[in-house]
Amino acid sequence: GQNIDQPTEMTATEGAIVQINCTYQTSGFNGLFWYQQHAGEAPTFLSYNVLDGLEEKGRFSSFLSRSKGYSYLLLKELQMKDSASYLCAVHGSGNTGKLIFGQGTTLQVKP
Amino acid sequence: DSGVTQTPKHLITATGQRVTLRCSPRSGDLSVYWYQQSLDQGLQFLIQYYNGEERAKGNILERFSAQQFPDLHSELNLSSLELGDSALYFCASSVGGSLAGVYNEQFFGPGTRLTVL
Repeated sequence: GQNIDQPTEMTATEGAIVQINCTYQTSGFNGLFWYQQHAGEAPTFLSYNVLDGLEEKGRFSSFLSRSKGYSYLLLKELQMKDSASYLCAVHGSGNTGKLIFGQGTTLQVKP
Repeated sequence: DSGVTQTPKHLITATGQRVTLRCSPRSGDLSVYWYQQSLDQGLQFLIQYYNGEERAKGNILERFSAQQFPDLHSELNLSSLELGDSALYFCASSVGGSLAGVYNEQFFGPGTRLTVL
């Protein structure tokens, strides 16, 4: 089967660092995406990993270990506007663009 | 603004009815995807079209159907609506998305919020 696991909720303090983990078991792997989604709005792209290692993009970094079926999203210097859901999605196998999404992690940033 | 447009923004209807949701992809994108997001579920993939042809199917109910037209816009038809169909329906588009191993960032539209009463 296909399974993507993320923590349901996390809380962090403004200015701090938070790591959101994602583990996956999918039939095939062609890349892993992280999206940010504010309540009632469209998901917006944050990062993409297809090879093992760390991808850094400003305050956001994403890590991938394909052998462990594991990724994390690291958010630094947290701001109140970072309060949102963070979705981990795997581009699986086959000649399709289908993304398999996890349930999402709701992050609350407190002052 | 992702460049993907969806209409209508909100839709309220009754059980047993039929509705059509419309999506226009970003200029140049050939793939369109439909996702359903209900309160207790994550984003669930429904169906993908690539350049007018169905490319992948997810857990889409038989009561639901979709198509992509020659101008690449897409419509999702939902019929015999039930209370449980109430959800946010997102359309996304990507340039390609038909080949394994090819980078496939999907750009999401603002969604259509469907409420079935």
